[in-house]
Amino acid sequence: EVQLLESGGGLVQPGGSLRLSCAASGFTFSTYAMSWVRQAPGKGPEWASAMSRNGDSIYYADSVKGRFTISRDNSKDTLFLQMNSLRAEDTAVYYCVKGTRTNYNAGTVDAWGPGTLVTVSS
Amino acid sequence: EIALTHSPATLSLSPGERATLSCRASQTVSSYLAWYQQHPGQAPRLLIYDASNRAAGIPARFSGSGSGTDFTLTITSLEPEDFAVYFCQQRSNWPWTFGQGTKVEIK
Repeated sequence: EVQLLESGGGLVQPGGSLRLSCAASGFTFSTYAMSWVRQAPGKGPEWASAMSRNGDSIYYADSVKGRFTISRDNSKDTLFLQMNSLRAEDTAVYYCVKGTRTNYNAGTVDAWGPGTLVTVSS
Repeated sequence: EIALTHSPATLSLSPGERATLSCRASQTVSSYLAWYQQHPGQAPRLLIYDASNRAAGIPARFSGSGSGTDFTLTITSLEPEDFAVYFCQQRSNWPWTFGQGTKVEIK
């Protein structure tokens, strides 16, 4: 069974940093693209960042470009999101999402983690 | 970026009634449209993929239709657990996008 478990969320002041992790199990992690999808309170989800299976192709939403960095450790089946210069508008639940292909813009997604809440507030 | 618009924003119905939810895309997405259900505090759950295909384990009371820019999710007879927020999502053009959702609430 595919399992994704996010960690690292919490309360942070504007301008601060957080590092999210997603521990994956139940599938061959290195084979698939992975994404971070976030959902602000009362809003629809949005793709924040995505990475191909080997990291050679990366996407960032314009709203996070230059502040967030996605990475993965295929030897440890873990996806990361380093978030710097956080703003109030980054407040959201962040979901780790598994793709069905090697590249993030192909196929679809077939598994979501339960999410981790990031709150940016003073 | 393709925008998806839900209508209505809120649907107030009673258990046993039929629910019809609409999603309109700002440009054609062919049949690359999915529907998700979300309860408070939970991740979205896939109901329908590629416009009309039920995901594994989804009851037959859920059905999807449409192509191009106009899509419909129908729930034939609402069960208590169906009161939730429903989102459509396109995978025709990257970045894949979601709509803002329709809330189905108990009347």
